[in-house]
Amino acid sequence: QVQLVQSGAEVKKPGASVKVSCKAPRFTFTSHAINWVRQATGQGLEWMGWMNPNTGDTGYAQKFQGRVTMTRDTSISTAFMELSSLRYEDTAVYYCTTETNLYFDFWGPGTLVTVSS
Amino acid sequence: QSALTQPASVSGSPGQSITISCTGTSNDVGSYNYVSWYQQHPGTAPKLLIYDVSARPSGVSNRFSGSKSGNTASLTISGLQAEDEAAYFCSAYTGSTTVIFGGGTKLTVL
Repeated sequence: QVQLVQSGAEVKKPGASVKVSCKAPRFTFTSHAINWVRQATGQGLEWMGWMNPNTGDTGYAQKFQGRVTMTRDTSISTAFMELSSLRYEDTAVYYCTTETNLYFDFWGPGTLVTVSS
Repeated sequence: QSALTQPASVSGSPGQSITISCTGTSNDVGSYNYVSWYQQHPGTAPKLLIYDVSARPSGVSNRFSGSKSGNTASLTISGLQAEDEAAYFCSAYTGSTTVIFGGGTKLTVL
């Protein structure tokens, strides 16, 4: 079982940015892509994008292009997802997940991001 | 890209079998065998149940099975148990390194 550790809940104002972290065991970090998926309360899952922790290569869902940035710090086996220009509808739980051949095998516990004035 | 289409809810009695459908298009479900299914209990993260249409990860009960025909994938749960009551989501590869999810199905065990 792979444990992903995410940063704590955040409250942000509209227009601000939020940066969520996801720490993985070193072996996992170097052998799996990290994806980010969000879920608004009572709603479905929404895929945001992926990052290759080895190369830093990324791919984003069209909906988030220009607003999302996925990065990593290999020295601490941690991935980051930054979402800018926050809107009320960005209020959601944000999950990081490892990816193996286009399926998501291990998930973090989620980070609640609340956008509120 | 629109989400994959799933029924909002399904129900069944203990011991019965149920099937949840996941309908996409010829650009996603119909084109690739990269369909996966996830189970999510309230307040918890999703858990992988099925990958590559019909493969089960180690530790997942063989009561869960997956299949695909054309643009529609299906998850079947046999021998329903109370603990199966949860939300279920399908996911599919759409090409160009992108993935989409279904809207989710709430399973009620009567």
